[in-house]
Amino acid sequence: DVKVTQSSRYLVKRTGEKVFLECVQDMDHENMFWYRQDPGLGLRLIYFSYDVKMKEKGDIPEGYSVSREKKERFSLILESASTNQTSMYLCASTPGTGMSGELFFGEGSRLTVL
Amino acid sequence: AQKITQTQPGMFVQEKEAVTLDCTYDTSDQSYGLFWYKQPSSGEMIFLIYQGSYDEQNATEGRYSLNFQKARKSANLVISASQLGDSAMYFCAMRPPLLLLFGNEKLTFGTGTRLTIIP
Repeated sequence: DVKVTQSSRYLVKRTGEKVFLECVQDMDHENMFWYRQDPGLGLRLIYFSYDVKMKEKGDIPEGYSVSREKKERFSLILESASTNQTSMYLCASTPGTGMSGELFFGEGSRLTVL
Repeated sequence: AQKITQTQPGMFVQEKEAVTLDCTYDTSDQSYGLFWYKQPSSGEMIFLIYQGSYDEQNATEGRYSLNFQKARKSANLVISASQLGDSAMYFCAMRPPLLLLFGNEKLTFGTGTRLTIIP
């Protein structure tokens, strides 16, 4: 089974702190994604990556950056956390083989910014 | 741009009854994919079912079926014989054409429907 692991299930940070959310997948998938989930808004794409060191902005990239130095790891970075970034963050991956495109998700990281 | 609309924020259904979760979509693409995911209270997203735009048959996976009406741009999820464990958030999502070189598997999600099964 594909395993997507997010480093922290719950985080509490203060405004202005730098925050790293880590995601690792163990199935050699090409594509990795970071989504943000908020009640009433569903899941919105922040950034995605289709290869090592490659990244593309999603629908809501403002206030976020990403890093993909190794194929299996995709990090989401909040340079200076703000209260409006309190949310559930979901990492996902796909093999990039042109099949159905099913996303494999991690368990999510619930971030609270005080 | 692709858009997914789920108009039912919440639904309550009696156990063992069938339930239909609505999903409509908007796209100018001829080729696309439609997905349903389930999210229990634990938070993980569970893939349920997939329908390609050129698939002539409605997709089925166990108790789940996707009622795909292309002309109406709807992709409703039908759960037969609902169980207490079906209580969760359900998200409809769409994928752009696979003709794109990169990022073709990024999904656009709806706002979700919270389904509660009543014993």
